[in-house]
Amino acid sequence: EAGVAQSPRYKIIEKRQSVAFWCNPISGHATLYWYQQILGQGPKLLIQFQNNGVVDDSQLPKDRFSAERLKGVDSTLKIQPAKLEDSAVYLCASSFMGPDTQYFGPGTRLTVL
Amino acid sequence: GENVEQHPSTLSVQEGDSAVIKCTYSDSASNYFPWYKQELGKGPQLIIDIRSNVGEKKDQRIAVTLNKTAKHFSLHITETQPEDSAVYFCAAVRGGTSYGKLTFGQGTILTVHP
Repeated sequence: EAGVAQSPRYKIIEKRQSVAFWCNPISGHATLYWYQQILGQGPKLLIQFQNNGVVDDSQLPKDRFSAERLKGVDSTLKIQPAKLEDSAVYLCASSFMGPDTQYFGPGTRLTVL
Repeated sequence: GENVEQHPSTLSVQEGDSAVIKCTYSDSASNYFPWYKQELGKGPQLIIDIRSNVGEKKDQRIAVTLNKTAKHFSLHITETQPEDSAVYFCAAVRGGTSYGKLTFGQGTILTVHP
């Protein structure tokens, strides 16, 4: 069974630029999560989708972050414009349904200069 | 919201020794407690989990205990090996309509010396 795929693996941008991350969850998984992991900390949930609907985006900085999951499969997370404090690893995870076991992708390491 | 505290932040042991990592949570409605292992450059990987209707669960060298009254849970690794070296995270999930939102602890860097 293929795992959660993410791309790119690494991205370096300058502040005020925009960036987008892509995630392909495990086939058949209805729930998709985006987490932000700052160095030395645990992952923090940014947004959660159930199929193509948003379940929880309470911790998403909506003035600069946006995410979508069209057709209930792949998802894209965008930051525009980026700030220095956005430097982190962005993790995508999926689960079959809601509270089931979450499987994580390898993450995208973002560096904002 | 839920808050998860994890200790210690770093743990160094000799190969063959046991390692214990402890977590406390704040929300008494949390009912699912997974543990993740994260190796350098990789995403977290689930190693064991426990639900609130169970006090202890074991899987080979790894065990987890849960004390609902005290709101704390612990990870126990016996006969540690160098390949156990990684960052370990505990997490808590609130039941009900939270749809599986994970709240993570701060992580423990485990180093196993050969």
